[in-house]
Parts: sequence; C-alpha cells; structure tokens
Amino acid sequence: SQQGEEDPQALSIQEGENATMNCSYKTSINNLQWYRQNSGRGLVHLILIRSNEREKHSGRLRVTLDTSKKSSSLLITASRAADTASYFCATDPGGGNKLTFGTGTQLKVEL
Amino acid sequence: GAVVSQHPSRVICKSGTSVKIECRSLDFQATTMFWYRQFPKQSLMLMATSNEGSKATYEQGVEKDKFLINHASLTLSTLTVTSAHPEDSSFYICSARDPASGGDEQYFGPGTRLTVT
Repeated sequence: SQQGEEDPQALSIQEGENATMNCSYKTSINNLQWYRQNSGRGLVHLILIRSNEREKHSGRLRVTLDTSKKSSSLLITASRAADTASYFCATDPGGGNKLTFGTGTQLKVEL
Repeated sequence: GAVVSQHPSRVICKSGTSVKIECRSLDFQATTMFWYRQFPKQSLMLMATSNEGSKATYEQGVEKDKFLINHASLTLSTLTVTSAHPEDSSFYICSARDPASGGDEQYFGPGTRLTVT
C-alpha cells in the first residue's frame, strides 16, 4: 500500500511555540488519525477526524482535514518538552480498518 | 482505555532460529488484530491482519510461511518469525480495535524489538 507523505520530516522548536505538521495522502478515506510515538515505544492515539469533518480539537491539539486536497494538518499549541516524539498520520479507508501510515514527523521541543 | 500488551519487549536470537511474539488485548475482545513492522526512523508497514478463528491476511510482499500468525482466541494473537535472519531485525508492533467501543481507533501494543545475530 502506498504511504502518505508528511512534512516536515523533522521539526525543532522552542518550548511554548506552536508546531504544525502536514500529511498528504492518495486514496479516499473514511477517517484520518494522528498518533504519537516516543522513541522505541508503541503508538499513542491522539485524535481521529472523519471525512465529513473539517476541523477537530482536543486539548492543545487541532487537526484539520481537506478531503479535496487529500491533506491534513496537526497543530500542537504551546508545545512542551514532553511533546518531543514522532508524529504519524494514518488513513483509514473504512471497512476493515486497515491503517496506512504516513512517513512521520520527528518533533523536538527544546527548553 | 483499551490496553494492548506485547511480550517479549525485546528479544535477541541467533540466525536460523524462530521467535514467537505475543499480542494480547487485556480488557477487551478483539476479533481482528494487526501486525506492523517498523525499521529505524521509518514508518509502520502493515504486515498482516490477524483474524480470530481463521487464516491471517498478508500484505503484498510479506511471506506467510516466514511470518506465521495464529489468532487462537479473542484476546491473543501470536507472530512467529521462522528461520530468522539479520534482515528480520526490526520493531514489531501489534494493534487491535475494540469493536464494543464503537470507535475506529486502534490501540497499539508497546512493540517488540527483535535483533537477529
């Protein structure tokens, strides 16, 4: 299966700043999900946005979805050092829930 | 929230031996589990979909005779890497969806780091 692309591949910011990551995909979707992975660990589900939604919020996270452009963005506001991790988008076409992951963005938040 | 565990967390084995990795859903029943492989600094690649009581569905390019999957109960799926070689060294992660929750989120295990020497 083809993976989605994420950009940037790596992002380094100062604590307190906002971090924006973008995800583009190729096929039609039922929903798009964002996950966080700390180094050498499993994935933590952050937020899910359905194909009929355009924007969703959860705490300091804001996700947008543009199905016409086949793209999504994840915004982390007021970043903290603990947000340092890799972030992946994953598309779900529906039905069997087979997720296709993007290439990921490595975020580093410095004190 | 739903919890998925994996065992072992790390394993080192010699080339030519087989290794079994377990994936358990601790507080829910999962008719379907997924196995992924992740190489360093890369994304997750789906290897196969594990179906309780039936054969697994493998993704293109994944050798089913090399990566044996058994989903014998609603809470346990196992992945056996047979005749392991150094190129099989990777991070293996399983996931499951909790159908009772009605949601589409998948819950991931903590992963198993396999090193083949």
